[in-house]
Amino acid sequence: AQSVTQPDIHITVSEGASLELRCNYSYGATPYLFWYVQSPGQGLQLLLKYFSGDTLVQGIKGFEAEFKRSQSSFNLRKPSVHWSDAAEYFCAVGFPSGGSYIPTFGRGTSLIVHP
Amino acid sequence: GAVVSQHPSWVICKSGTSVKIECRSLDFQATTMFWYRQFPKKSLMLMATSNEGSKATYEQGVEKDKFLINHASLTLSTLTVTSAHPEDSSFYICSARFPGGAEAFFGQGTRLTVV
Repeated sequence: AQSVTQPDIHITVSEGASLELRCNYSYGATPYLFWYVQSPGQGLQLLLKYFSGDTLVQGIKGFEAEFKRSQSSFNLRKPSVHWSDAAEYFCAVGFPSGGSYIPTFGRGTSLIVHP
Repeated sequence: GAVVSQHPSWVICKSGTSVKIECRSLDFQATTMFWYRQFPKKSLMLMATSNEGSKATYEQGVEKDKFLINHASLTLSTLTVTSAHPEDSSFYICSARFPGGAEAFFGQGTRLTVV
């Protein structure tokens, strides 16, 4: 069955420290991959996406993600976290369905940033 | 860029009444729109896929008679919560996709509170 897993419910880091949020998917081929960020009470903002090509993807706000086919992973990274990065982060996967793609979301990882 | 607008951003209604939420793609035509429901501290649950000019496809467990979806034009989809009850209180988010595209663009969400 197709699924998206974000194993960490909460991640706590100190401001200035590096960050890695994990995302794994279960699917027989390479799906489309996305990372979104959601601030409290707000909609979702796309950080970055992977469709094909270079497996290291650069996004907005200094985020990057690396697609690793062998591990079925698409982990999000940032070298130095800012207090404003505290939010909910969702990994999403576009699984093909009937000629189109339906975005499926992981359960989210809540990022807490300590000063 | 692609902009999706949701209205209203927050609505309070009395139990037993119906409320309509609009999702508009402002600068592109969206043949497919998605409706999600998000519970507090939870991920986005896909409720239904809405295709312009045809009936929506509901996910398992979603009551189609309670959550009426209409996609009357290429830029507008509506979700009507009929006979709302307090347990329907939630955050509802729509997204829209270019024809043939894989990336979905999200509205800012609607906070529904049923009292």
